[in-house]
Amino acid sequence: EAGVAQSPRYKIIEKRQSVAFWCNPISGHATLYWYQQILGQGPKLLIQFQNNGVVDDSQLPKDRFSAERLKGVDSTLKIQPAKLEDSAVYLCASSLERLAKETQYFGPGTRLLVL
Amino acid sequence: KNQVEQSPQSLIILEGKNCTLQCNYTVSPFSNLRWYKQDTGRGPVSLTIMTFSENTKSNGRYTATLDADTKQSSLHITASQLSDSASYICVVSGGGATNKLIFGTGTLLAVQP
Repeated sequence: EAGVAQSPRYKIIEKRQSVAFWCNPISGHATLYWYQQILGQGPKLLIQFQNNGVVDDSQLPKDRFSAERLKGVDSTLKIQPAKLEDSAVYLCASSLERLAKETQYFGPGTRLLVL
Repeated sequence: KNQVEQSPQSLIILEGKNCTLQCNYTVSPFSNLRWYKQDTGRGPVSLTIMTFSENTKSNGRYTATLDADTKQSSLHITASQLSDSASYICVVSGGGATNKLIFGTGTLLAVQP
């Protein structure tokens, strides 16, 4: 079974530039999550999708971050414009459903450095 | 406030030795607790999951315990190997409609030869 795929793996941009990350979840997984993990901290949930609908985006900085999952499969996360404090690893995860018993499977992450 | 605290922040042990990592949580309601292993440059991978009624769960050389009364969990690693070097993250699920996970900041373990 293929895992969660993310691209790119690394990205370096200057502040005020835009950047987009892509995630392809495990086939058949209805729930998709985007997390931000700052160095030395645990992941912080940015947004959660159930199929193509948003379930939770309470911690997404909506003035600069946006995400979509138009067809309920793969997803993109965009930052526009980027700030220095956005430097982090952006993890995508998926699960079969959003039940508590379901395991979230994580991708390798995209490491973003904003200069 | 829902929080998950882990200790120690970092730990260095010699190959072959045992170690125990601690996790205290204040998440309510409580659905389950997981331990994840995160290798450098990779996403977290689930090691164990325990619900309210379970007080121990093993996965090879990893044994997790849960005391739901004191809201404490531990992860014991037996006969450590170099490949155990990673960050170990305690994650608590409050269940509910969104199944939001509360992550600890992790314990960084280094196993030295």
